[in-house]
Amino acid sequence: QVQLVQSGAEVKKPGASVKVSCKASGYTFINHDINWVRQAAGQGLEWMGWMNANSGNTGYAQKFQGRVTMTRDTSIGTAYMELSSLRFEDTAIYYCTRGSGQMGRDWFDPWAQGTLVTVSS
Amino acid sequence: DIVMTQSPDSLAVSLGERATINCKSSQSILDSSDNQNYLAWYQQKPGQPPKLLIHWASTRESGVPERFSGSGSGTDFTLTISSLQAEDVAVYYCQHYYNKPPAFGQGTKVEI
Repeated sequence: QVQLVQSGAEVKKPGASVKVSCKASGYTFINHDINWVRQAAGQGLEWMGWMNANSGNTGYAQKFQGRVTMTRDTSIGTAYMELSSLRFEDTAIYYCTRGSGQMGRDWFDPWAQGTLVTVSS
Repeated sequence: DIVMTQSPDSLAVSLGERATINCKSSQSILDSSDNQNYLAWYQQKPGQPPKLLIHWASTRESGVPERFSGSGSGTDFTLTISSLQAEDVAVYYCQHYYNKPPAFGQGTKVEI
């Protein structure tokens, strides 16, 4: 079955960087975009950006421009999201999710289990 | 950017009763070239990632119970749970995918 599995929880200090991985299985990795969405505790869903898994092309939400980098390793079907210059307010669960629409206009299915990133001094 | 606004923020419904959640987009998300509304609905239970329920505003995903239905067009959309079950307690989100950036509504919490 189609599945996305993320790396484990992280604790980082303010100003540090974090890199979260997202391993895909059950489908052809390069045929779908990967999107990243985050959710702070008790809050809603915030879209961070997308990556074309075939070309590696990316697009980021304006809020994260300059701080986020999305990459992939097609040989192992894994996508990565790196967020730098971490702030306390970046503490959240980060989700990867597969784009399931067409021509980059995607609904999101499935979602990975999420990775809790805690920024603490 | 298109902004999605849901109402209400929360609602309490008796078991077996109907729950109705509204979602409004700041501009039309109906594409006249294909006559499709670029709207999805998700369910998120505590401690779990979101789960896709509906896309194209009214197309139910495989395995989603028939009591869940989506309707609407243009800027106004509705998710209806026809007969609420205990397992439907969750937060529900709408999302447009008409263009980039996609965006979610703020969520609606459904309780018994």
